Amino acid sequence: NAGVTQTPKFQVLKTGQSMTLQCAQDMNHNSMYWYRQDPGMGLRLIYYSASEGTTDKGEVPNGYNVSRLNKREFSLRLESAAPSQTSVYFCASSEVQGVTNYGYTFGSGTRLTVV
Amino acid sequence: LAKTTQPISMDSYEGQEVNITCSHNNIATNDYITWYQQFPSQGPRFIIQGYKTKVTNEVASLFIPADRKSSTLSLPRVSLSDTAVYYCLVGDNYGQNFVFGPGTRLSVLP
Repeated sequence: NAGVTQTPKFQVLKTGQSMTLQCAQDMNHNSMYWYRQDPGMGLRLIYYSASEGTTDKGEVPNGYNVSRLNKREFSLRLESAAPSQTSVYFCASSEVQGVTNYGYTFGSGTRLTVV
Repeated sequence: LAKTTQPISMDSYEGQEVNITCSHNNIATNDYITWYQQFPSQGPRFIIQGYKTKVTNEVASLFIPADRKSSTLSLPRVSLSDTAVYYCLVGDNYGQNFVFGPGTRLSVLP
């Protein structure tokens, strides 16, 4: 089915380790996003990419880097993981045409635990 | 960014209509109002989006008064499977500044 695919689904890291979360969408959307969701909380925007070749910081970018590899793929990297980064990470994409955003499509999430 | 305020939780019974109201007093002229539904261990799912007046789709209706300072998501005849967290988002048309609050946790009881 068309949609947003995230890998891995689960990951346990030790403090200080690095890893990259992968995200790919097959809907030809131009915008992509990374969010994190802590238990009982709403989603907070980490980084977004309005179009291929551009990335911008969101609400909580510290400790993360992103790469918009092409129109389909948007990866999130943790260079030195910390326990505070234990969370569920969601990737999303959306189609923005002119002045209208047609809504996000989210992936199923990556549950990351940093010990 | 336009901040939103929603009830933290609501309870309802199967077959009832549920209305969840969201306040967004400082909504900007270019802002759209979007609602999402999230089940446990899943990403949010788009439900409905509107700019003014009323929007209806196969899942829900969205009512927006003329001043646009609030909006109401209406779910007709809810079932147990509608138990979820519902988020109201307000953001500019380019969708880069949508902020998710804690949402409204709807519990549908048998």
